[in-house]
Order: sequence, then structure tokens, then C-alpha cells
Amino acid sequence: KNQVEQSPQSLIILEGKNCTLQCNYTVSPFSNLRWYKQDTGRGPVSLTIMTFSENTKSNGRYTATLDADTKQSSLHITASQLSDSASYICVVSPNFGNEKLTFGTGTRLTIIP
Amino acid sequence: DGGITQSPKYLFRKEGQNVTLSCEQNLNHDAMYWYRQDPGQGLRLIYYSQIVNDFQKGDIAEGYSVSREKKESFPLTVTSAQKNPTAFYLCASSIFGVRASGNNEQFFGPGTRLTVL
Repeated sequence: KNQVEQSPQSLIILEGKNCTLQCNYTVSPFSNLRWYKQDTGRGPVSLTIMTFSENTKSNGRYTATLDADTKQSSLHITASQLSDSASYICVVSPNFGNEKLTFGTGTRLTIIP
Repeated sequence: DGGITQSPKYLFRKEGQNVTLSCEQNLNHDAMYWYRQDPGQGLRLIYYSQIVNDFQKGDIAEGYSVSREKKESFPLTVTSAQKNPTAFYLCASSIFGVRASGNNEQFFGPGTRLTVL
């Protein structure tokens, strides 16, 4: 069964600190891995998309890494801001389409001043 | 503004009633999707459509119906047959087929929260 597991479930850090969120997957075959940010009560917004040939991809203060051999990904947030408080969802696709995506349950990140 | 809109933002339904959730996009995307989000669970696919007048069941289609009469619109009806309809519903869209290139990014709407009274 295809699965995406994220850790930790929730995380609280001080404003200005860095943090790293983890994603492990068992989806096979593998085409690409995505990280989304979802504010409470809103739709997810894409942060990064990586194929199996990409090891790292950045979007501002967000940097995602991918190890396709160990089937692990991480999302690193640098110099956190209050607006980073949200759920971060890892999504894995077995093909180029979007009809067979496997979504993780997300990590709830809270930034405190 | 280009994007995906969903309406209403909040919807209350009595048991036994059918309700329809609206989803519109002006991104000229071919494919549209409906997901359901429940606390502690990942998003689950209800229905998707890759072309006008055609749609496919997702993982949890029972108790739901859709139509795709226009490229821009993909309404979802939650019928009285859906046993546990209270959830957050998300619509998404993406390019499909030969027009897609690189990574086929999916764009989400703001969501509709449905509560059954």
C-alpha cells in the first residue's frame, strides 16, 4: 500500500529559528514529490516539486531535499516568521499525472514570538 | 485575477438533503479534481475530470456526483447517500496531457467547509 508518513505531527518553535520537517514514503513507482503549505481553513499552496533526479530545491526560505534511494524528503525552513505557522503537507506521485497522488497527514508548525 | 474559486466558504446541510459545491477556474486548465480533507487524514480524491463531459471516480466516490459541462466549472453534489459528509472540501486543477511539461503542478481552491446538522 502506498503511504506517506510525516514527522513530527506538530512542532512549535520560536520566531527566527530554523526547523526541518520529515517525509518518508513507500510509493512505487515514483515520479515526483511535492511540498505544500496549508494555512488553517485555506487550500494548500505549492512550495516545491522535485523529480527523482533532483536532490534539492529552494523557494525563498524553504529548501526541500530528496533522497530517492532511501525514499526520504525533508523541508527546511530558515529564519522562521510568524506567517510560517501552517500545516505542511508532503505529496508523492507515481506518475506524471495528478490522479494517483498520495498525501501525507501533514506537520502542524506553530511559530511563537 | 487568475485562479480557482469555490463557493460557498461555509455550508450547512440537514440530514437527507443534497447540496452542491461550486468550483470555477480561469487558468485554462484541462483537469479538475475534488478532494475531501478530514482531521488527521491526508487528502482523499473523490472525483476527477481530465476533459469536458468526462469524469472518473476517485478513491471515495460513493455518495457524491459531479458534472463537467464546461472547461471552467466542476461542481460537486454531496447526496443524502453520503453517510458522513461533514468535512473540508477542496477543488484543484492542473494542465493535462500534451500541454503539460515539467512537473504537473496542481493548484487548489480556498475550500468549502460542509457541516451536517
